[in-house]
Amino acid sequence: AQSVTQLDSQVPVFEEAPVELRCNYSSSVSVYLFWYVQYPNQGLQLLLKYLSGSTLVKGINGFEAEFNKSQTSFHLRKPSVHISDTAEYFCAVSRSTGGFKTIFGAGTRLFVKA
Amino acid sequence: NAGVTQTPKFQVLKTGQSMTLQCAQDMNHNSMYWYRQDPGMGLRLIYYSASEGTTDKGEVPNGYNVSRLNKREFSLRLESAAPSQTSVYFCASSDIQGGVGKLFFGSGTQLSVL
Repeated sequence: AQSVTQLDSQVPVFEEAPVELRCNYSSSVSVYLFWYVQYPNQGLQLLLKYLSGSTLVKGINGFEAEFNKSQTSFHLRKPSVHISDTAEYFCAVSRSTGGFKTIFGAGTRLFVKA
Repeated sequence: NAGVTQTPKFQVLKTGQSMTLQCAQDMNHNSMYWYRQDPGMGLRLIYYSASEGTTDKGEVPNGYNVSRLNKREFSLRLESAAPSQTSVYFCASSDIQGGVGKLFFGSGTQLSVL
């Protein structure tokens, strides 16, 4: 079975500062990795995904994530955040073969302060 | 584009009452999912339907039933609601059969069971 651990429940940061949201996963099989964002009172939307190939993945809104197989991590980064990035961010994992289930982490709430 | 549509958006039930949450997608996706979101626990999969005519249990299926009515519609039923089922429920669909694909989410149903 797969599991996901998001190491920070809340991350406060000032506008224009860099941010890193940490995610570790556990799996005995090969997996695909995702980051989703949830703005207040909305459903989730995909930020980026890693399926194979380059370990550095670029997504929407200037976010990127790096897949590190040896450390089983998939941390999300943005070099300069905006107020509008305030949201909850979810790391997720699914099996790379026969994977009908996507397992989500508990979420990290990003607060961007002026 | 409507995408994934859930109804109702809000619902208050008394313990023991029943109700059905409706979900429809207009993207011709094969796979559909029901998740619940609770504070500090991320999203947990209740049931999923890999394709029309099939349904399977997820992580937390107890107290729920589902029906894949056709390719577009996937409903979630609570037969006898309990306070532990107070949550926000999300329906999702996937553009590739299985969990590999991007999940498209509805805007959610906030359910309170008194």
